[in-house]
Amino acid sequence: DTGVSQNPRHKITKRGQNVTFRCDPISEHNRLYWYRQTLGQGPEFLTYFQNEAQLEKSRLLSDRFSAERPKGSFSTLEIQRTEQGDSAVYLCASSLGDEQYFGPGTRLTVT
Amino acid sequence: AQTVTQSQPEMSVQEAETVTLSCTYDTSESDYYLFWYKQPPSRQMILVIRQEAYKQQNATENRFSVNFQKAAKSFSLKISDSQLGDAAMYFCAPNAGGTSYGKLTFGQGTILTVHP
Repeated sequence: DTGVSQNPRHKITKRGQNVTFRCDPISEHNRLYWYRQTLGQGPEFLTYFQNEAQLEKSRLLSDRFSAERPKGSFSTLEIQRTEQGDSAVYLCASSLGDEQYFGPGTRLTVT
Repeated sequence: AQTVTQSQPEMSVQEAETVTLSCTYDTSESDYYLFWYKQPPSRQMILVIRQEAYKQQNATENRFSVNFQKAAKSFSLKISDSQLGDAAMYFCAPNAGGTSYGKLTFGQGTILTVHP
């Protein structure tokens, strides 16, 4: 049983560098979500895809953030010119019905 | 915009006892779904139970049940016969409304400790 996978699991980068995360959803799931979770807080919604179409973006997703889901399969989340405030765990989830299945997350540390 | 309040940052329970976690929310939608998720220290979020707002009957899933009060916008989770494996952070999360697959808005979470 292959669940949602995310790579890398951990990323340490210096301020100003670009980083890219990958999410592989459960294969038949047509919806894919990105959330961000800071320490001790609940996840916050970033963006959502249905197949390859990006249907909604949060105001949290500044111009430095971009997400893609080519061919409606895996998704990438890129952060350009990282800032220390970007340090968080980035969670990906996928769904076919009403239950969202979450991946283990990518922990980003910006130094 | 939806807001979610979990007023109990931490709760503890003895093994085999019952505990209730509270959640209130604010939404302008008339039809929506509500979820409780569990996040163990490994950080993988797991769905515990869900409730459709149009259903009056409270959802039950084995040892987990909810008390859904739509008019009060309250959605509490009751865990019966608590087990050590129930220890985790619990999040209440209504969705965007209108559909079952909208974005989730999470509360701040409640850390549940289970004492043997």
